[in-house]
Amino acid sequence: KAGVTQTPRYLIKTRGQQVTLSCSPISGHRSVSWYQQTPGQGLQFLFEYFSETQRNKGNFPGRFSGRQFSNSRSEMNVSTLELGDSALYLCASSFSPLNEKLFFGSGTQLSVL
Amino acid sequence: TQLLEQSPQFLSIQEGENLTVYCNSSSVFSSLQWYRQEPGEGPVLLVTVVTGGEVKKLKRLTFQFGDARKDSSLHITAAQPGDTGLYLCAGGSQGGSEKLVFGKGTKLTVNP
Repeated sequence: KAGVTQTPRYLIKTRGQQVTLSCSPISGHRSVSWYQQTPGQGLQFLFEYFSETQRNKGNFPGRFSGRQFSNSRSEMNVSTLELGDSALYLCASSFSPLNEKLFFGSGTQLSVL
Repeated sequence: TQLLEQSPQFLSIQEGENLTVYCNSSSVFSSLQWYRQEPGEGPVLLVTVVTGGEVKKLKRLTFQFGDARKDSSLHITAAQPGDTGLYLCAGGSQGGSEKLVFGKGTKLTVNP
């Protein structure tokens, strides 16, 4: 069974640009969550999608958005990038939205210059 | 806002030593999970504890959930270099209406 796949693995952008990150969950998993990980703040919850609907949202500005497709694949978008957006962005999938076992991808390392 | 404090933040020990890392909160959680994250990878779930006072063992790792379900500890016996990584605890709220709250982690280095 393939794990959670995130693309791209690395990304370098400049301030003001936008970026789209992709996440393919484990087959059969319908819930996808996104987290931002930085050395100073640790893992912070961005949002969660289930059946193409955003179910929960963390405390991030509106520049951070996401969506989920009918095949459960998810994308997150960050517009007007800021230096502080440099982080590892992790996607996690689970069978359902309940707080059960999360399977994380390897993440996308975003650097904003 | 629920917060999880992990200590110590960094730990460097020699192979064969024992260690304990802690995860504390002023909030009650319905469940507590422990993850290990290696450089360049995402966190991998090690264990979930759900009952106050619960103790779970995974080979050389022993996990305990506090009686009041506000804290947890992870004890590693005879640490090995392969145990090196970032250990994260995450608290879950009842009903799954809120996502997991993660601590900032304990970065463990086991030197051969």
